[in-house]
Amino acid sequence: SYVLTQPPSVSVAPGKTARLTCGGNNIGSKSVHWYQQKPGQAPVLVIYYDSDRPSGIPERFSGSNSGNTATLTISRVEAGDEADYYCQVWDSSSDHPFGGGTKLTVL
Amino acid sequence: QVQLVESGGGLVKPGGSLRLSCAASGFTFSDYYMSWIRQAPGKGLEWISYIRSSSRNIYYAVSLEGRFTISRDNAKNSLYLQLNNLRDEDTGVYFCAREGIQGSGCYDKWGQGTLVTVSS
Repeated sequence: SYVLTQPPSVSVAPGKTARLTCGGNNIGSKSVHWYQQKPGQAPVLVIYYDSDRPSGIPERFSGSNSGNTATLTISRVEAGDEADYYCQVWDSSSDHPFGGGTKLTVL
Repeated sequence: QVQLVESGGGLVKPGGSLRLSCAASGFTFSDYYMSWIRQAPGKGLEWISYIRSSSRNIYYAVSLEGRFTISRDNAKNSLYLQLNNLRDEDTGVYFCAREGIQGSGCYDKWGQGTLVTVSS
C-alpha cells in the first residue's frame, strides 16, 4: 500500500514561515490534499490538488508537489494556525491514504 | 449551508455490531461521492470506505477484513456504515465526509463525528 510520511512535529515562531512536508514514492505524480485539524474538531480542507485553496482559506496557505515530497507552506504564521496537519492522496492501488500527521506548534 | 451529522455511535462489546448514520443537508446528496474516515484516540486519520453516487462502486480499506459495510439512501439524503465483529482497535471517532470533486479523493466537507467505543 502507498505510504505517506510526515514529520511528527514542526515548531515556528509567529510571523515566520512553516513548511510541512509529506513524503511518498513519486508523490509528484499524484494529487495531494492537505487538512487542518484543531483539537476536538473535524478536519478542514486547506489545500487540494497540490496547490489549490478552497474558498475561505487564507492566501498564507500554499502547496507544492514534486518528486518524492509535497509541501504545505504557511506564511506569516499566526497563533490560530496551531493544529495538526494531514496530507492525503488518492491512489487507485491503495485507497485514500492519509499521512500520520504533523503537529504544528506556534512558539 | 452544507451539513453532515453523524449518529449511532456508542459503547459496544468486542464482537458486537453498530450501525452509523450520516444525515446530509444543504446540497444535492445524490451528486456526491461519500466516505467514512475514522480517528483512534490521540491518533491520525484513517480512511475506511468510499461509495459513489449511485452505489455502483464501493471501496474499503484492506485492513477492515470485510467487517464493515457502507451504503447510502439518496432518497433520505443519508449515508450509513454497518460495523460488525468489532474489536478494541475499532475504537475512535467516525467521520463522514463529502468528496468535493468526483474522483479527486479530496474531502471538502466533514461531519463532527460520532464516537465508537469497543470495550468489555
